[in-house]
Order: sequence, then C-alpha cells, then structure tokens
Amino acid sequence: DIQMTQSPSSLSASVGDRVTITCRASQAISRNLNWYQQKPGRAPNLLMYAASNLQSGVTSRFSGSGSGTDFTLTISSLQPDDFATYYCQQSYSSPPTFGPGTKVDLK
Amino acid sequence: DVQLVESGGGLVQPGGSLRLSCSASGFTFSTSAMHWVRQAPGKGLEHVSVISSNGGNTYYADFVKGRFTISRDNSKNSLYLQMSSLRAEDTAVYYCVKDYCSSTNCYHFDSWGRGTLVTVSS
Repeated sequence: DIQMTQSPSSLSASVGDRVTITCRASQAISRNLNWYQQKPGRAPNLLMYAASNLQSGVTSRFSGSGSGTDFTLTISSLQPDDFATYYCQQSYSSPPTFGPGTKVDLK
Repeated sequence: DVQLVESGGGLVQPGGSLRLSCSASGFTFSTSAMHWVRQAPGKGLEHVSVISSNGGNTYYADFVKGRFTISRDNSKNSLYLQMSSLRAEDTAVYYCVKDYCSSTNCYHFDSWGRGTLVTVSS
C-alpha cells in the first residue's frame, strides 16, 4: 500500500494568513492526489483533485501543486470558514489511502 | 444536488452483524461507482470497499475482506454494506461516498453522505 504523510500535523494561524500544507507519498503517484476538508462532526468535502484542479464550488483561495511524491495545498488568505482538518488522498493505486490529516486552528 | 443518506448504524456486540444502507438522489446513480469509507472516533479516514456502477466489480480492504459485502440496487438508487463478524476495531462512522467515475479504480470521492455510526461493544 502507498503510505501518505502530511506536515505539519497541526498549525495555528490567523485570519488573513497564507497557509501551506504538505503531503508526501511513499512512492511516485504522478498527479493522482486529492485534497479534502473536514469540519468537526461533518463529512469530508472534496477541495482539489488531480493535484491542482479546484473542485466545482470551492473558493479559489485554495490551490494545489505537486507531482510524483511531493504535494502542497495552499490557502492564500485564511478565512474563518477555513478552520478545519485537511486530508490528502492518493488515487494512483488500490487501495486508495489518506494522509493522517492537518488540523488548522485559530492562533 | 447530490444527496447521500446512510442508515442502519447502531450498537452491536462483537461477532455480530449489521447492514448499512445508503439512499442516493440528485444524480444518475447507475453511472457512478460507490464506496464506503470509515472514520474511527478521533481518527483518520480509511477506505473500506468499492463497487462499480453496474455492480460487476468490487474491492475490499484487507481488514474487512471475508467479513463485509458491498452491494447495490440501481433500481432503488441504493448502496449497501453487509457487515458480519464485527470487531471492536470496526467501530467508526461509515460514510457512503460517490465516485466521479463508473469504474472501481478511480477513487475520486466527489460527494459524501453524513455518515452513520457503528459501535461494536459488549
């Protein structure tokens, strides 16, 4: 199975900050990487697919980049609605696997 | 809008069985692969199983293989997960998830239900 890691595991930031989350795969996965946002008590929500494609309806504050083994999710200017946990997920091979998550909270 | 509504969760004893259901609406159910993804309390996300759009292909995570069975009824826009020989470590919220694709190997989870909690405890 492909192992996914994320850093940091948590971060504290202020409204308006630029935030970057990193995801690393244990082997090359091309650009087969998706990002999800999950708020407490809610289901995950797809933000980004194929590394850098914004899901329909998702704000352009979010952007993604990377290929191979290293990927990033960037929030250009953190808003109150963005405090949540973010997960990466590889769709390159079965089984699909998720990173452990990065919790973004208010500084 | 896509709606996925899970039901069937609850408290079950170790070794017991449970059947989860997911009712889908707002999209053409018969053209989408469907998944179950679970999340143990306070933990991350784990893919459990997938079924292709026509039900002809399925996949199971190793930790449920031989114990869980995924199925679907396209005439009823419904997805199911039959769980047996349940263990304490199966305790989790189980999400019904729609795939962007019809095949089982896309893993593009574009819509999620709110989940149903399964608790395995004596």
